[in-house]
Amino acid sequence: DIQMTQSPSTLSASVGDRVTITCRASQSFSSWLAWYQQKPGEAPKLLIYKASSLESGVPSRFSGSGSETEFTLTISSLQPDDFATYYCQQYGAYPWTFGQGTKVEIK
Amino acid sequence: QITLKESGPTLVKPTQTLTLTCTFSGFSLTTSGVGVGWIRQPPGKALEWLAVIHWNDDEHHNPSLKTRVTITKDTSKNEVVLTLTNMDPVDTATYYCSHRRVGGGLDYWGQGTLVTVSS
Repeated sequence: DIQMTQSPSTLSASVGDRVTITCRASQSFSSWLAWYQQKPGEAPKLLIYKASSLESGVPSRFSGSGSETEFTLTISSLQPDDFATYYCQQYGAYPWTFGQGTKVEIK
Repeated sequence: QITLKESGPTLVKPTQTLTLTCTFSGFSLTTSGVGVGWIRQPPGKALEWLAVIHWNDDEHHNPSLKTRVTITKDTSKNEVVLTLTNMDPVDTATYYCSHRRVGGGLDYWGQGTLVTVSS
């Protein structure tokens, strides 16, 4: 199985900050990676697919980059609605696997 | 407009079999590239992928569940059914079904259903 490791596990930031979350894979799977945002009591929401493609309707302050084994999700200017938990997921090989999550908290 | 909704029991006893149904609309599971997946999330924990079935009947499941999990589809009813045998309290989780888009990524999700395993 491909293990996905996110860092940090928790991130404290202020509105307007630039935020970067990293996802490292235990082996390469090209660019078949997605990022999700999840708020308490809600289903995850797709933000990015194929490592860097922005899902329709997602604000442009979200961006994704990377390939092979290292990927990043960047929020260029953190907004109040962005405080949530973020997950990466690889779908390049079965079993699909998720990272353990990064919680973005208000500083 | 794509929607998905999970249905099934909210409480099962240890050793019982869980059967969850995902009823969807707004897409066809006969469209090339499309799939429906199941993901679960224990309270306060991370997401765990369980299984996926595609338009061409190609299906995969998480080997960590060994032979416990089965996924099937009924395209005439727009349903995907997940079966998980020999339930244990560690299987207590919110279970989600989701639409797998062409090109990858799970772009639409059901609201989730909390299943508790307890005697």
